[in-house]
Amino acid sequence: QSALTQPPSASGSPGQSVTISCTGTSSDVGGYDFVSWYQQHPGKAPKLMIYEVSKRPSGVPDRFSGSKSGNTASLTVSGLQAEDEADYYCSSSVGTNLPFVFGTGTKVTVL
Amino acid sequence: EVQLVESGGGLVQPGGSLRLSCAASGFIFDTYWMNWVRQAPGKGLVWVSTINSDGSSTGYADSAKGRFTISRDNAKNTLYLQMNSLRAEDTAMYYCTRHRAYSHDQWGQGALVTVSS
Repeated sequence: QSALTQPPSASGSPGQSVTISCTGTSSDVGGYDFVSWYQQHPGKAPKLMIYEVSKRPSGVPDRFSGSKSGNTASLTVSGLQAEDEADYYCSSSVGTNLPFVFGTGTKVTVL
Repeated sequence: EVQLVESGGGLVQPGGSLRLSCAASGFIFDTYWMNWVRQAPGKGLVWVSTINSDGSSTGYADSAKGRFTISRDNAKNTLYLQMNSLRAEDTAMYYCTRHRAYSHDQWGQGALVTVSS
């Protein structure tokens, strides 16, 4: 499967909002409500931020929200904080055999 | 507290083999599907393999098919990845992840595999 498409970078000032897109096809993002988002700080393991398109795991701030329209999913970070500066990856399930496909990754910079 | 601790990484020559282990604790291991995800230096995340809760069903990325084997020992709460015929392009950090709600909800700290002569 081909990787999902994300913009290489996004940025915003503290307190602002930033939205990251994740574009796939009807065989992955558009076909299932199984999109998840991960945050990765340098040298650290990724951390789950959003699952099933818009659900937040316990402990994830409500500044993080997810949505989907057609073949494109989005992650919005509101009220940007310095610690939100990280790489973000989307992922989608692609069917009954449950292989996953990840996005290309987006580096978020807090200006 | 959920913990996933990978081990077994290291330097191996092209064509060689390596077995990664992932020791799980803090949850009922035999009720969860598990995965391996890798990340080459400076690159993005790539799904490698998935195994169901009792080990009877597995899935592999095309890059791993025929060379890698995922398995688990539920009595030992341990996940494995046997990697054969290793290539330079397999050089990466390998993460063990727990599968929940079609996402990777818990991650280990990773095991670094370097394939080089």
